[in-house]
Amino acid sequence: GAGVSQSPRYKVAKRGQDVALRCDPISGHVSLFWYQQALGQGPEFLTYFQNEAQLDKSGLPSDRFFAERPEGSVSTLKIQRTQQEDSAVYLCASSSGTGGSSYEQYFGPGTRLTVT
Amino acid sequence: GENVEQHPSTLSVQEGDSAVIKCTYSDSASNYFPWYKQELGKRPQLIIDIRSNVGEKKDQRIAVTLNKTAKHFSLHITETQPEDSAVYFCAAAPVSGGYNKLIFGAGTRLAVHP
Repeated sequence: GAGVSQSPRYKVAKRGQDVALRCDPISGHVSLFWYQQALGQGPEFLTYFQNEAQLDKSGLPSDRFFAERPEGSVSTLKIQRTQQEDSAVYLCASSSGTGGSSYEQYFGPGTRLTVT
Repeated sequence: GENVEQHPSTLSVQEGDSAVIKCTYSDSASNYFPWYKQELGKRPQLIIDIRSNVGEKKDQRIAVTLNKTAKHFSLHITETQPEDSAVYFCAAAPVSGGYNKLIFGAGTRLAVHP
């Protein structure tokens, strides 16, 4: 079956530009997570959605980062006025449950963002 | 908050040998411990996980052990093959608000030499 997909796979932005990254989770998955993975590091949590509700945004590094999931399926991570330190791979993951019933998170291929 | 430490950062073994990667965590409320394999430029893939009510779990050549008292867990790969070469990440998930956000270790780069 179809896994988690993300687009674009690669994005180059000039410093100061706004970018939008898309995540299509596995159909029917309630939970959706965004992670940031710097080169040579493990993924770091950014934000969590349960259906359309953003229940945790404690990992967003600044108010330039904004995420939404308006219909409880596709999600978009937006970064305004990009900075060089935003360069990383942005990973999306989805899981079928809300933690209590199903823990497994399945990752998308990521979007590699390079800010020049 | 939760903190996960992973060792070693790099591991080189000969084909057929065993490989062991160890992780420690800080939050005693964590109850879910997955392991991911990530090949260069690819997505992290879940290879095995363990929950806090289980001490050990095995799936063919891969096994994971959990010691809740000591707050550490380990990945064991037996009869390693060149295709096992990748970066492996451990993670811990503290219970929070009914969902589990993964806190990852820094990763172990495993190289299996023919």
